[in-house]
Amino acid sequence: EPEVTQTPSHQVTQMGQEVILRCVPISNHLYFYWYRQILGQKVEFLVSFYNNEISEKSEIFDDQFSVERPDGSNFTLKIRSTKLEDSAMYFCASSLGQGLSGANVLTFGAGSRLTVL
Amino acid sequence: AQRVTQPEKLLSVFKGAPVELKCNYSYSGSPELFWYVQYSRQRLQLLLRHISRESIKGFTADLNKGETSFHLKKPFAQEEDSAMYYCALRDSGGYQKVTFGTGTKLQVIP
Repeated sequence: EPEVTQTPSHQVTQMGQEVILRCVPISNHLYFYWYRQILGQKVEFLVSFYNNEISEKSEIFDDQFSVERPDGSNFTLKIRSTKLEDSAMYFCASSLGQGLSGANVLTFGAGSRLTVL
Repeated sequence: AQRVTQPEKLLSVFKGAPVELKCNYSYSGSPELFWYVQYSRQRLQLLLRHISRESIKGFTADLNKGETSFHLKKPFAQEEDSAMYYCALRDSGGYQKVTFGTGTKLQVIP
């Protein structure tokens, strides 16, 4: 069964450093997402990406965050200058389509744990 | 604004007992509701959607628009059901953002 792959599984960084989290979505999927989960809290939507541009983003997704799909397979989340409160599990997800068909179901990656010291 | 409430952080039941994981939502539009499950050391995965009205692993959930609820039920809990369960909501009008509840940890006691 196809999977969404995320790297690294765990990254430790110093406050103020730039971090790039990588994701390889399912190959025929068209919509890509990043979610995060701070320890003990709920899974929160960050951003969705379609047709090489951001289609929706949350208030969490400020100027410190950016996403891109540089090569048609990887989907990356960059945090420019990390803060302590960015420590969380970051989940990438993809879906085939949208609407009420099964195509809009999200397939999640295993997550990348980011620890900011 | 979309809001999903799961009032129980932890639900412990004995094997063979019925299970009901509660989920209430708040949304002014037309919602699509999901249950996602995360087993220990595994990734978040879809359990079921209200649109498909199916039973997965013995679990069912009915969307009650009057009570704005989407409770997850199973008549007889099994040990392998122990996991974290998340209720989630999306606007059915094509928006992609999915809003998750805080999750309920189901612990099935042998």
